[in-house]
Amino acid sequence: GDSVTQTEGQVALSEEDFLTIHCNYSASGYPTLFWYVQYPGEGPQLLFRASRDKEKGSSRGFEATYDKGTTSFHLRKASVQESDSAVYYCALSGGSNYKLTFGKGTLLTVTP
Amino acid sequence: EAAVTQSPRSKVAVTGGKVTLSCHQTNNHDYMYWYRQDTGHGLRLIHYSYVADSTEKGDIPDGYKASRPSQENFSLILELASLSQTAVYFCASSVQGTGQLYFGEGSKLTVL
Repeated sequence: GDSVTQTEGQVALSEEDFLTIHCNYSASGYPTLFWYVQYPGEGPQLLFRASRDKEKGSSRGFEATYDKGTTSFHLRKASVQESDSAVYYCALSGGSNYKLTFGKGTLLTVTP
Repeated sequence: EAAVTQSPRSKVAVTGGKVTLSCHQTNNHDYMYWYRQDTGHGLRLIHYSYVADSTEKGDIPDGYKASRPSQENFSLILELASLSQTAVYFCASSVQGTGQLYFGEGSKLTVL
C-alpha cells in the first residue's frame, strides 16, 4: 500500500535558521503530494500541494519540489520564525484524490 | 465561522462504554472522514464517506463504526471503548478530486 516517511520526531531551530524536513513516499502510479501544517489546538490545514514531477509547491515562505526520480517532496524554508512552530505532515493521495495517506508528522520548534 | 465542527471537544469514557463523536460540516462537501491522531503514528484514516447513508472502511476500522445520516453529519461510534482508543480524533471534509481536506478542531478522547 501507499506510505509516507518523513523526518521523525522533533526539529528544534532558532529564528532565521534554514529548515529542511525530509519526506519520501511509496505509491503506485502518480500520486499527488501535500504538506499540511497543524498549529497547537487546531486541526491540520493544507500548506500546499504538487501533482506532477518537478512541480514546486509553495506557501508562506515554505516550498517543496516533487521529485519522482527520488520519490521525495522535502519541505524547506530559508528563514524560520517562532510563529512557524507547529507539526508538519507530508501526505499523498492516489489517482482519485479522495483518500490521503499521512506521514507520522514532524514537530518544529523555533526559539527566538 | 468554523466550517467543520466536532462535538464533544473532550470526553472521558469508561472501558466498555459506548462513545459517539459527532461532526457537522457546512462546506457542502461530499466527502467526510474520521482520522485518529496518536504521537508516533500521525494521522490514520478510520472511516470515510462520499455520500449520505453510506460509509467506507479506512485503514484502521476495527473497533469503530461510522454513520452518515445526511451530507452535513458524520458520526464515529465506539460501541465498546477500550484503553487503546485513547487519542485525538479529527473529522474532515473535502471536495472530490482535490485532496484538500478541511479539518475540525479535534475531539480528545480519554478511555479509563
